[in-house]
Amino acid sequence: NAGVTQTPKFRVLKTGQSMTLLCAQDMNHEYMYWYRQDPGMGLRLIHYSVGEGTTAKGEVPDGYNVSRLKKQNFLLGLESAAPSQTSVYFCASSYRGLAGGPRPEQYFGPGTRLTVT
Amino acid sequence: AQKITQTQPGMFVQEKEAVTLDCTYDTSDPSYGLFWYKQPSSGEMIFLIYQGSYDQQNATEGRYSLNFQKARKSANLVISASQLGDSAMYFCAMRERSYNTDKLIFGTGTRLQVFP
Repeated sequence: NAGVTQTPKFRVLKTGQSMTLLCAQDMNHEYMYWYRQDPGMGLRLIHYSVGEGTTAKGEVPDGYNVSRLKKQNFLLGLESAAPSQTSVYFCASSYRGLAGGPRPEQYFGPGTRLTVT
Repeated sequence: AQKITQTQPGMFVQEKEAVTLDCTYDTSDPSYGLFWYKQPSSGEMIFLIYQGSYDQQNATEGRYSLNFQKARKSANLVISASQLGDSAMYFCAMRERSYNTDKLIFGTGTRLQVFP
């Protein structure tokens, strides 16, 4: 049981390049999330998904796209990277809602450190 | 809008002493959940403790307890018998729940340093 995994762990991009971050979970969770963490700030939600084939915008969605083609995977795409997207990206997953599942917390991946020059 | 406030950017505590990390929240939803996560220097987010808005008792998990004061909208984390390994960033978070969505809102964190 690997929990939540993220690929890659580190990446350096040049402005204008594109890339995709992969998140995978093996806990059969319905909900998946992408956050970014900037220095001196807590995590901010980029996009999330409440089930296979669904996605929704979070607090800071601009410049990012996501897809959830399979229940266990949640992809975050940057079509044209900008220096403002330099950040640490965390993926998380959870059971359905506060009232669903034995534990209500979100399980986090190890993070991806992205630098855009 | 829902909001989480952590007013202590940094805290120091001596090993074996107890420490309280403050967290206040704002929500109009009667059903919500409050969480504390630990982020050590290695970067991963580690779940510590959870308190539901309808829970009658304060949550406890080993050396961690949550001092939940609903009327004051506070959810302070108490760490008893601090250890050097407790040095980390600590984030308070609230789970916002509305139709077909379920999101965590994080505070800005408190950096705890435990000294010998």
